[in-house]
Amino acid sequence: SQQGEEDPQALSIQEGENATMNCSYKTSINNLQWYRQNSGRGLVHLILIRSNEREKHSGRLRVTLDTSKKSSSLLITASRAADTASYFCATVAAGGSQGNLIFGKGTKLSVKP
Amino acid sequence: DTGVSQDPRHKITKRGQNVTFRCDPISEHNRLYWYRQTLGQGPEFLTYFQNEAQLEKSRLLSDRFSAERPKGSFSTLEIQRTEQGDSAMYLCASSPSSVGWQPQHFGDGTRLSIL
Repeated sequence: SQQGEEDPQALSIQEGENATMNCSYKTSINNLQWYRQNSGRGLVHLILIRSNEREKHSGRLRVTLDTSKKSSSLLITASRAADTASYFCATVAAGGSQGNLIFGKGTKLSVKP
Repeated sequence: DTGVSQDPRHKITKRGQNVTFRCDPISEHNRLYWYRQTLGQGPEFLTYFQNEAQLEKSRLLSDRFSAERPKGSFSTLEIQRTEQGDSAMYLCASSPSSVGWQPQHFGDGTRLSIL
């Protein structure tokens, strides 16, 4: 079963604009991760935020986590056409095995040049 | 390229046939995972191995699905008596086993189409 729900399901922006995607989840977590998937390819890990962290940065990526609302957001600043992909949040349940990553349905991002 | 490798990339078969997919993880990774992804959905966890031990298999979709990792290196996922609903992308991932949580590295998947 899917744990998370990403919002929006699809997002279309112009190159240079910022893109914000949100993820909500249902159970207590150990950590939350964001992955990117280009069409027809596997997933690529972007960033991991632990349950005791509130914000994390990596290059043009900024992730926030609000455990009281069971939600996270991914911000991509100064987007590029190469950022066009689907973005998924994935959670590891508190006390869960590292194997059991639970993914949301994803946000499909389209960045127009 | 030393990433996760999956073979074949595409498999087309008739309903009722058996299929087997192979995954070669990153060589120093001792954890290996299988996921299924249907169109418009996120990956759905199936099973995972630590070396040759299968530590979680309750999420395998039915008894038609089985996975092995006999020598703790490559893994195979077999689907017996395939059904239309088995059409999906089957993804393999690997990660090192170390203290703390490690990101999973994914292969490009095997796309299965059932005629």
